[in-house]
Amino acid sequence: QSALTQPASVSGSPGQSITISCTGTSRVVDDYNYVSWYQQHPGKAPKLVIYDVSNRPSGVSNRFSGSKSGTTASLTISGLQAEDEGDYYCSSYTSRKTWVYGGGTKVTVL
Amino acid sequence: QVQLVQSGAEVKKPGASVKVSCKASGYTFTSYGISWVRQAPGQGLEWMGWISGYIGNTNYAQNFQGRVTMTTDTSTNTAYMELRSLRSDDTAVYYCARVGWGMFGFDYWGQGSLVTVSS
Repeated sequence: QSALTQPASVSGSPGQSITISCTGTSRVVDDYNYVSWYQQHPGKAPKLVIYDVSNRPSGVSNRFSGSKSGTTASLTISGLQAEDEGDYYCSSYTSRKTWVYGGGTKVTVL
Repeated sequence: QVQLVQSGAEVKKPGASVKVSCKASGYTFTSYGISWVRQAPGQGLEWMGWISGYIGNTNYAQNFQGRVTMTTDTSTNTAYMELRSLRSDDTAVYYCARVGWGMFGFDYWGQGSLVTVSS
């Protein structure tokens, strides 16, 4: 069982917006603003799309945005495109100087 | 450009050890830490531990304490992850990833190394 809880799947039609939630214990998510999100396509290494809750790495589409409220972090993908289909993982840096991952969310573009 | 190139696939018997390498290029190796993350077939990501590229200090996930050792060789800009007493449920793709500057996300990843544990 992961320390961070994500929905198993989320789907949306092209052009729509979807939001993936990531809920953890207060010690994991609330203490630090260091939640990251990763996109993974089948057979590929994960790719960082959001770091430190709401920051986008250079080169990542501005259709990806992140936020946090209390112990729940969220990733929103706006203007959903076929290429956004894949698995998404949240991760948090913890007060024990470790990282934990959520179980992953499969995003399907209908 | 930043690259992390990992060693190839390995097949090991239960009880054996495996050592996976991760050669970095395109940046100052000693200025960044490296984390190791694994993914069992059809499963999610699991963080294993972190090593500083400068001093070599480490922090391991509790699940791997006593069974994993992470090291670096600054002369070759290579990080290593050794896992001992292998079990069948250690079968996974093992990734190295760089901890980004001024952040706690992993901004560059290796291509992954498949380790299969089978008798």
